[in-house]
Amino acid sequence: DVKVTQSSRYLVKRTGEKVFLECVQDMDHENMFWYRQDPGLGLRLIYFSYDVKMKEKGDIPEGYSVSREKKERFSLILESASTNQTSMYLCASSPFRPGGEQYFGPGTRLTVT
Amino acid sequence: QKEVEQNSGPLSVPEGAIASLNCTYSDRGSQSFFWYRQYSGKSPELIMFIYSNGDKEDGRFTAQLNKASQYVSLLIRDSQPSDSATYLCAVHFSNTGKLIFGQGTTLQVKP
Repeated sequence: DVKVTQSSRYLVKRTGEKVFLECVQDMDHENMFWYRQDPGLGLRLIYFSYDVKMKEKGDIPEGYSVSREKKERFSLILESASTNQTSMYLCASSPFRPGGEQYFGPGTRLTVT
Repeated sequence: QKEVEQNSGPLSVPEGAIASLNCTYSDRGSQSFFWYRQYSGKSPELIMFIYSNGDKEDGRFTAQLNKASQYVSLLIRDSQPSDSATYLCAVHFSNTGKLIFGQGTTLQVKP
């Protein structure tokens, strides 16, 4: 079974803090993704990566950055957290083939106060 | 037109009935289609994928794809209260290479 883990299930941070969300997958997948999910807005793609040290902007990259130093690990960084970044953050991984399925981690519910 | 459209519901069916969930998409070139189930407060879980026109069955679930009409559906037979969740349709768009998710349909199965 594919396993995608995320460092925290719940996180509370203050405005202006730098926040790190970690994601690890154990299936040797090339592709990794970060989404946020908000009521009424659905899943929105923040960043993705097709290879180590490679990153691509998704649909809503503003206020976020990512790091992929190892194949199994993909980190999402909120440089200066703001209240509008309160959300459920979901990491996913996918094997390298066009149109492949994505497997999600359990999610991190981040609250910025 | 939204890229992937689903009726938000809620769709309410009695226990033991067939639940039918529908999804339409805008990219004629799409080749890969997925259904995810998401329980409240949890992450999406892949339950079905389909690549070819027609039906694909897996236990109580059947995915149906009609590329000419640009729709994909999910049938759940013998619905159980444990099937109550939001079902997300996802379509791989060939023009952008991205997996695009619908907003989801909430299913309620009443005992």
